[in-house]
Amino acid sequence: QQQVKQSPQSLIVQKGGISIINCAYENTAFDYFPWYQQFPGKGPALLIAIRPDVSEKKEGRFTISFNKSAKQFSLHIMDSQPGDSATYFCAAVGGGADGLTFGKGTHLIIQP
Amino acid sequence: DSGVTQTPKHLITATGQRVTLRCSPRSGDLSVYWYQQSLDQGLQFLIQYYNGEERAKGNILERFSAQQFPDLHSELNLSSLELGDSALYFCASSVGASTYNEQFFGPGTRLTVL
Repeated sequence: QQQVKQSPQSLIVQKGGISIINCAYENTAFDYFPWYQQFPGKGPALLIAIRPDVSEKKEGRFTISFNKSAKQFSLHIMDSQPGDSATYFCAAVGGGADGLTFGKGTHLIIQP
Repeated sequence: DSGVTQTPKHLITATGQRVTLRCSPRSGDLSVYWYQQSLDQGLQFLIQYYNGEERAKGNILERFSAQQFPDLHSELNLSSLELGDSALYFCASSVGASTYNEQFFGPGTRLTVL
């Protein structure tokens, strides 16, 4: 049973455009939602995270939007750059689950 | 560089064999997590150790075991290997026992079982 569903699986965006990655969760006890960025040959690295008591969190060009009632959250990358090309994972923490519960990842390519 | 080191980077072995993956956490971190990354299952939590003691278990097979030593490095032992065990294995470390603490991932060990 996949507890965090992520879409799309892959995404191609033009330089300067907005990249949007969506995640949905089922366990309402999850209470912390980090996003990880992974470059080829590297481990995932924390990018930005949100708790469900806020609807939006922004750090530079990266924004998380959170919809608690719909049990959905999304990552928006504004002014996408070729250096943003990577695999992005949403994750969830809490609800009695140990460790991070990851979505399956989105392979993002920013075309120059 | 996250400060977490993993060895070896690559490992190629045969079915039925046993291997050991090693992880050194960031200086000062007491928790070590192990994750498996495969194409079909994605990133899955295997097990967590905190200050030498097992703290949490995820989707870890009985053929797999781990330990954390007094110097806080950790080893993941995989035995009776099967083709399906081929994957990237990551270790991550964090300062405390809580999963809410930021986890810092190592570069991974790529295991190929032939």
